[in-house]
Amino acid sequence: TQLLEQSPQFLSIQEGENLTVYCNSSSVFSSLQWYRQEPGEGPVLLVTVVTGGEVKKLKRLTFQFGDARKDSSLHITAAQPGDTGLYLCAGAVRGGADGLTFGKGTHLIIQP
Amino acid sequence: DAGVTQSPTHLIKTRGQQVTLRCSPKSGHDTVSWYQQALGQGPQFIFQYYEEEERQRGNFPDRFSGHQFPNYSSELNVNALLLGDSALYLCASSLPGASLYGYTFGSGTRLTVV
Repeated sequence: TQLLEQSPQFLSIQEGENLTVYCNSSSVFSSLQWYRQEPGEGPVLLVTVVTGGEVKKLKRLTFQFGDARKDSSLHITAAQPGDTGLYLCAGAVRGGADGLTFGKGTHLIIQP
Repeated sequence: DAGVTQSPTHLIKTRGQQVTLRCSPKSGHDTVSWYQQALGQGPQFIFQYYEEEERQRGNFPDRFSGHQFPNYSSELNVNALLLGDSALYLCASSLPGASLYGYTFGSGTRLTVV
């Protein structure tokens, strides 16, 4: 059974600050995806990382996949209130044929 | 282009009853997966349907069953409902290679079992 541990579970910071969310596992994943979910909505895909050591940037968000493809991080620069939400990492094995294994998520609140 | 559509949005059922949830995938997607998301938790994989067959199944009992129709839409059925089945049920559609391109999720069906 693959498990993904996310940390921190909760994070409340002021607008303009930087933050990093971590996603760790003892299992190797063929790819790792990050989603953002708002209350009452389904998760929305932010990025997919596939290659060990890969770094992807999406405006103020930087995603990194660990060299061994067991962990990932999400770094947000100069956080804004619109970044508030539940951030979920999800790993895929066997090309996703087994579905995604999700972490429990990081609840992020950015205060103006 | 419509995304993933789920119905109903909310549902209240009594313990022991049966429920059917419905999902229409994003246009062009042929694979449908179902997830259960308990309050404060990440989604858990129930099963995935492709070409009208269950391709993979997560760690859920046989009370959870599904179906995919020729138009790729899908249903999730839960029998003998338990209080613990109360959750947000998410449908996700994808193309083959979803591990590279990601899944499109619906807004979910909030099921409350009383």
